[in-house]
Amino acid sequence: GQQVMQIPQYQHVQEGEDFTTYCNSSTTLSNIQWYKQRPGGHPVFLIQLVKSGEVKKQKRLTFQFGEAKKNSSLHITATQTTDVGTYFCAGTNTGNQFYFGTGTSLTVIP
Amino acid sequence: DAGITQSPRYKITETGRQVTLMCHQTWSHSYMFWYRQDLGHGLRLIYYSAAADITDKGEVPDGYVVSRSKTENFPLTLESATRSQTSVYFCASSRQGLGTEAFFGQGTRLTVV
Repeated sequence: GQQVMQIPQYQHVQEGEDFTTYCNSSTTLSNIQWYKQRPGGHPVFLIQLVKSGEVKKQKRLTFQFGEAKKNSSLHITATQTTDVGTYFCAGTNTGNQFYFGTGTSLTVIP
Repeated sequence: DAGITQSPRYKITETGRQVTLMCHQTWSHSYMFWYRQDLGHGLRLIYYSAAADITDKGEVPDGYVVSRSKTENFPLTLESATRSQTSVYFCASSRQGLGTEAFFGQGTRLTVV
């Protein structure tokens, strides 16, 4: 079964609104990564989080790794049309198994 | 700097035929990966390789064969294609292995009819 779940599956927002996607694992993760895939494109690495409770920012994007290292979130402030795409989390569990989440598809309405 | 390239970009094949998808990287990364991407499943790991002549199964290896005789190439072969193998296939490479920053190719869209 799917080891890493993401919600929501789809999100439509008005340009300028905020957006958050959540990633949840049934097991503890040693690290988590986030990727962005533009429509028709390939996944592009955004960031990796390793420490419990870690928070990292990239301009309007804020990434968090939960205290228990079982969940993570990506928050985009004031979305722009360039943010359109599917955002995937990917995690390595303590058994060294690696899984991508199912992704959240973001549509930004101008 | 070509990075990582996949060929072909699009392929239509018939059920039962053998088909090989090619992947070439110019970074000399030790690790290479093959994923398939299907709606509702995200990206699933088929096979990966830690170095030349070292390969290992991922989450969905059945029906696929890989080889890695040279560090820069990692071909994926479908020995007898089935319709369930219709998918978009991505090759990726990384310096340090699973769970580290990976660089993806443009993908191959394979249709099995």
